[in-house]
Amino acid sequence: AQKITQTQPGMFVQEKEAVTLDCTYDTSDQSYGLFWYKQPSSGEMIFLIYQGSYDEQNATEGRYSLNFQKARKSANLVISASQLGDSAMYFCAMRGVLGGSQGNLIFGKGTKLSVKP
Amino acid sequence: DTGVSQNPRHKITKRGQNVTFRCDPISEHNRLYWYRQTLGQGPEFLTYFQNEAQLEKSRLLSDRFSAERPKGSFSTLEIQRTEQGDSAMYLCASSLDPRGRAQYEQYFGPGTRLTVT
Repeated sequence: AQKITQTQPGMFVQEKEAVTLDCTYDTSDQSYGLFWYKQPSSGEMIFLIYQGSYDEQNATEGRYSLNFQKARKSANLVISASQLGDSAMYFCAMRGVLGGSQGNLIFGKGTKLSVKP
Repeated sequence: DTGVSQNPRHKITKRGQNVTFRCDPISEHNRLYWYRQTLGQGPEFLTYFQNEAQLEKSRLLSDRFSAERPKGSFSTLEIQRTEQGDSAMYLCASSLDPRGRAQYEQYFGPGTRLTVT
């Protein structure tokens, strides 16, 4: 069965500093995708970044980068130059292609990031 | 606004009543997903449609839950005989995903928060 583990319930970071949010995953699928979503207090899930299992380079999107270590089954999110607006819940998610996953996302429990001024 | 919309945003109901939620996906998206999110957890997959076909419904929490997507456009999620344990945020997401490949991100709506008293 597929599983996402986020071991940090909460994280604090000083404004303008970088922060790493941890994510490990478990799957027997050979082809899969890893996603990070941001959920502000308003509740809407906002897509941040995607990493495919066959992608050789780590994904980057602006201030977001994904540190993908396939052998360790980890997909950590790095946010550089943190801003106050980055304070939110962050969810790591996985989507399988094989194994009957039907394309739904499987989410971790999330990490609450608080950016201090 | 061309994003995913959900109505109502909030619903308070008494135990035993039936409730129906509506989701309007992004117009060209052929896949539509329903998730449930309880406090302190990541979203949990319930069901999904490809066009008008419901391709997975075994994850619906009980036979009190049902979903439809007539004509492959908007979708409704109905909960019959609501229970206090049904109180949660119900999220809808859509994606353009003709072949179930992993890299198509899902765009989420703002959710419907259900409170059962």
